[in-house]
Amino acid sequence: EAQVTQNPRYLITVTGKKLTVTCSQNMNHEYMSWYRQDPGLGLRQIYYSMNVEVTDKGDVPEGYKVSRKEKRNFPLILESPSPNQTSLYFCASSRKASSAANEKLFFGSGTQLSVL
Amino acid sequence: AQSVAQPEDQVNVAEGNPLTVKCTYSVSGNPYLFWYVQYPNRGLQFLLKYITGDNLVKGSYGFEAEFNKSQTSFHLKKPSALVSDSALYFCAVRALSGSARQLTFGSGTQLTVLP
Repeated sequence: EAQVTQNPRYLITVTGKKLTVTCSQNMNHEYMSWYRQDPGLGLRQIYYSMNVEVTDKGDVPEGYKVSRKEKRNFPLILESPSPNQTSLYFCASSRKASSAANEKLFFGSGTQLSVL
Repeated sequence: AQSVAQPEDQVNVAEGNPLTVKCTYSVSGNPYLFWYVQYPNRGLQFLLKYITGDNLVKGSYGFEAEFNKSQTSFHLKKPSALVSDSALYFCAVRALSGSARQLTFGSGTQLTVLP
């Protein structure tokens, strides 16, 4: 089944403790992206990747890192989480980066992160 | 800068009645417009998109949306609502000439269909 898989589904952590949220897609998609969803703000893009080893900042990149060493994986790293990073996170992918403007996104099921 | 407005946080409609979820946008040049739906504890799912051509776009689950350039709107509609349509709906826009990252989402509209 074609899908975007995120893990974990729920995560509770404390301020400053490094964490990684994994994202994997099995559709050979070029484009991958991370979003955070906050009430009243919709989805805001954190980072995106046009292909392997090609990443760039979205609208809210502060406090986050990403890597794209393999086409299928795009982990989100929080080196020193803070309470304002408590949010619902979504990974998404689309088929072709070059035509990503009109391609639909496929989303993972989300990761609910709480930073205490 | 581009933006999307979904003026209603919550829309309630009786089952069997028509529904409309409103979306207006602001973008430089011609837009790509999308609707996504989010069911509880799930990721967003693509419903439909407008790229060019016919202003009335048909999508999944009987939904359709009408692109109105003069009013810069892209309202989502369905002739007869189902209880199972209850979900969170997001409108999104990207400029025709924009880079891949420049997809801007609205704040979402919670649709509740009452039995």
